[in-house]
Amino acid sequence: IAGITQAPTSQILAAGRRMTLRCTQDMRHNAMYWYRQDLGLGLRLIHYSNTAGTTGKGEVPDGYSVSRANTDDFPLTLASAVPSQTSVYFCASKRTDYEQLDGYTFGSGTRLTVV
Amino acid sequence: KQEVTQIPAALSVPEGENLVLNCSFTDSAIYNLQWFRQDPGKGLTSLLLIQSSQREQTSGRLNASLDKSSGRSTLYIAASQPGDSATYLCAVLGRDDKIIFGKGTRLHILP
Repeated sequence: IAGITQAPTSQILAAGRRMTLRCTQDMRHNAMYWYRQDLGLGLRLIHYSNTAGTTGKGEVPDGYSVSRANTDDFPLTLASAVPSQTSVYFCASKRTDYEQLDGYTFGSGTRLTVV
Repeated sequence: KQEVTQIPAALSVPEGENLVLNCSFTDSAIYNLQWFRQDPGKGLTSLLLIQSSQREQTSGRLNASLDKSSGRSTLYIAASQPGDSATYLCAVLGRDDKIIFGKGTRLHILP
């Protein structure tokens, strides 16, 4: 089934540890995104990539890094986790073209708790 | 800066009723608007996507409208069912190719 796979589904992480959240899509979408969702704050964009080899900062990029070595994968790394990074993280993708016809496809999320 | 607002934050209605969820946005320069459903502890499922040139989209019991000039969209749910209980989010894709989400409306359908 075409879509987005995120791993792990949940994780408890000690503060200060490094963690990479994985995101893989098999739809050959150009653009990929990482969001965090927090109660009362909604979904906020962390980083994005419009195409393989390029990345950009979203609304809340501090403490996170991404890479886009190929079309399918878009990992999100927390170099040194802090409790404020406790959240649910969603990866999303979209096929981009001039007409901007497509909507977004979301993964099922990773629930991260930093203690 | 685009802002997307959804009111009310929560809504409870008896089963069988028709209902309308509201979404407003401040910048009318958009490519499209998308409605999502999110069940507790789950990801987002796309319901309807309206392009900026369109006024409405329909899928089954769902109908979404878009009025760019007034910065409003509505999601109409006909003959509501308990299975419709979820959080509904609208999201606007701006000309900068960034999507901005509302904070959602939590819908509870009473059996």
